[in-house]
Amino acid sequence: NAGVTQTPKFQVLKTGQSMTLQCAQDMNHNSMYWYRQDPGMGLRLIYYSASEGTTDKGEVPNGYNVSRLNKREFSLRLESAAPSQTSVYFCASSASTAIHQPQHFGDGTRLSIL
Amino acid sequence: KQEVTQIPAALSVPEGENLVLNCSFTDSAIYNLQWFRQDPGKGLTSLLLIQSSQREQTSGRLNASLDKSSGRSTLYIAASQPGDSATYLCAVRWYSGTYKYIFGTGTRLKVLA
Repeated sequence: NAGVTQTPKFQVLKTGQSMTLQCAQDMNHNSMYWYRQDPGMGLRLIYYSASEGTTDKGEVPNGYNVSRLNKREFSLRLESAAPSQTSVYFCASSASTAIHQPQHFGDGTRLSIL
Repeated sequence: KQEVTQIPAALSVPEGENLVLNCSFTDSAIYNLQWFRQDPGKGLTSLLLIQSSQREQTSGRLNASLDKSSGRSTLYIAASQPGDSATYLCAVRWYSGTYKYIFGTGTRLKVLA
């Protein structure tokens, strides 16, 4: 029972490079989320998706794009990475489409931008 | 502005001690409050969810209370063990706003053997 799986676990990029973070869940959940976690700050919502084919901006969407490929997968793309995007990225999921409240989290992707 | 605060940022206690972790929030019109545990290098694991109509929730050695009028929640851990060492985060959902679900910065707990 994998839950929420994120790949890769670690990545180092140079400024200006692009990258896609992958997330998949096997719980048949409707809603999926992308958060970033920075030292001294709470988790902040980047984007979320209430269902396949729909996505909405969260608190800090600038510099990111997302794709809800199907019900299982929700990817986060950095088109032109910046040092300010150095962070730990978490994907999460929940069954509800009506209430935005993540319940299950992946183990994170630790991303460094040089 | 809706905010969630957790103080202290870090806490060390000897094994066996009962302890209380604090979570404060502005705006008492909350929908619910949730406590999570985060182990180093891992994601968040949900511990307890308290709805706005509830005063407390219990799971094993954990008890979470909610006092909306004072804007506070506490997580009580009984008879702490080294395995309880982790970061504990609270998150609050308010009625307003699609993504008005805000995390605190967490309290990093270390239980000494």
